[in-house]
Amino acid sequence: NAGVTQTPKFRVLKTGQSMTLLCAQDMNHEYMYWYRQDPGMGLRLIHYSVGEGTTAKGEVPDGYNVSRLKKQNFLLGLESAAPSQTSVYFCASSYGPGALNGYTFGSGTRLTVV
Amino acid sequence: GQQLNQSPQSMFIQEGEDVSMNCTSSSIFNTWLWYKQDPGEGPVLLIALYKAGELTSNGRLTAQFGITRKDSFLNISASIPSDVGIYFCAGLNYGGSQGNLIFGKGTKLSVKP
Repeated sequence: NAGVTQTPKFRVLKTGQSMTLLCAQDMNHEYMYWYRQDPGMGLRLIHYSVGEGTTAKGEVPDGYNVSRLKKQNFLLGLESAAPSQTSVYFCASSYGPGALNGYTFGSGTRLTVV
Repeated sequence: GQQLNQSPQSMFIQEGEDVSMNCTSSSIFNTWLWYKQDPGEGPVLLIALYKAGELTSNGRLTAQFGITRKDSFLNISASIPSDVGIYFCAGLNYGGSQGNLIFGKGTKLSVKP
């Protein structure tokens, strides 16, 4: 099925470990986004990209890095995981800045940092 | 930054009842969107609104773009068990924040069968 695919779906990390979350979309969308979702906090934007080779900071970028080397992929990296980064991470994509069709979301990655 | 106030935070209703939820903002938005998130899944777009005063339906769902452009409402008629989930409003203002959507914190809907 066309859409946004996130890998892995679940992961447990020890404090200080690093990992990369992968997001892939097959809809030829220009814009891609990484959100984290925490209870009572809704969706908070971490980083986003408006096209291949570009990235920008969102609301809560600290502790994360991203790369958009290919149009269809958007990677989220945690260099040194902390318990505060325990969350559910969602990737999303859109044709443009949230206009006509809104964002298409992946099914999420549940990350636990112990 | 811009914030959306979504209410209620949660609600329990009897199957068959109508449901209403809303979002308000101190800022004007050009677009309002309503999403639903099922347990263990990502949000899925339900309804998009592009004009002040616009009223749009999607099955049993009806949403309205407030005249002031600072609020939006979502109504669900005759609720059923599969309506359970978290509903998010989202606003977009092309003039600010690089055109990114601003999300409310969600309304968690639970239905008693």
